[in-house]
Amino acid sequence: DVKVTQSSRYLVKRTGEKVFLECVQDMDHENMFWYRQDPGLGLRLIYFSYDVKMKEKGDIPEGYSVSREKKERFSLILESASTNQTSMYLCASRAGTGGEGYTFGSGTRLTVV
Amino acid sequence: SQQGEEDPQALSIQEGENATMNCSYKTSINNLQWYRQNSGRGLVHLILIRSNEREKHSGRLRVTLDTSKKSSSLLITASRAADTASYFCATASMNTGFQKLVFGTGTRLLVSP
Repeated sequence: DVKVTQSSRYLVKRTGEKVFLECVQDMDHENMFWYRQDPGLGLRLIYFSYDVKMKEKGDIPEGYSVSREKKERFSLILESASTNQTSMYLCASRAGTGGEGYTFGSGTRLTVV
Repeated sequence: SQQGEEDPQALSIQEGENATMNCSYKTSINNLQWYRQNSGRGLVHLILIRSNEREKHSGRLRVTLDTSKKSSSLLITASRAADTASYFCATASMNTGFQKLVFGTGTRLLVSP
């Protein structure tokens, strides 16, 4: 069964901390994505990557960075966590040919206090 | 930026009834996808319909697409309590770049036994 695995289901961090959210996929997909989901706002794209070491900004990249050193792993970094980054974070991947659905991880619910 | 808007925002039905959810979008698309999300979990891809298709079926799911009206509908027939979830439409369009999906805010479906 193909999988996207997010390292933590729940995470509580303090304001100002550097936070790493990890995502690993086992499908050899070229494309990987980070979204955040907030009530009333739906899913918003933070960053995506279409190849190793390649990254593109999504709609709300401010306050975030990403790293993709290996094809299977895509990390989201909160450089200095703030309370407005409290959210559900969803990682997804998709094969590079286009026209297919995304496979999502189970999500990480991050609370910044 | 949100492309799709689902209607209704919430829907409550009895087991065995059909559930219909609608999605409207604003720009030309390559394809439109529907996803399901159980409470607090990741999204699961249900079905994809391309811009040159008008109808698609998968099990108890039926999706229609009307590109002239920029709208889609998802029909779940003979609903079950296990269908209780939020349902999202997502569009892949040339304006946002082929590899990205833009999600709506979702329809919450409650199926009562």
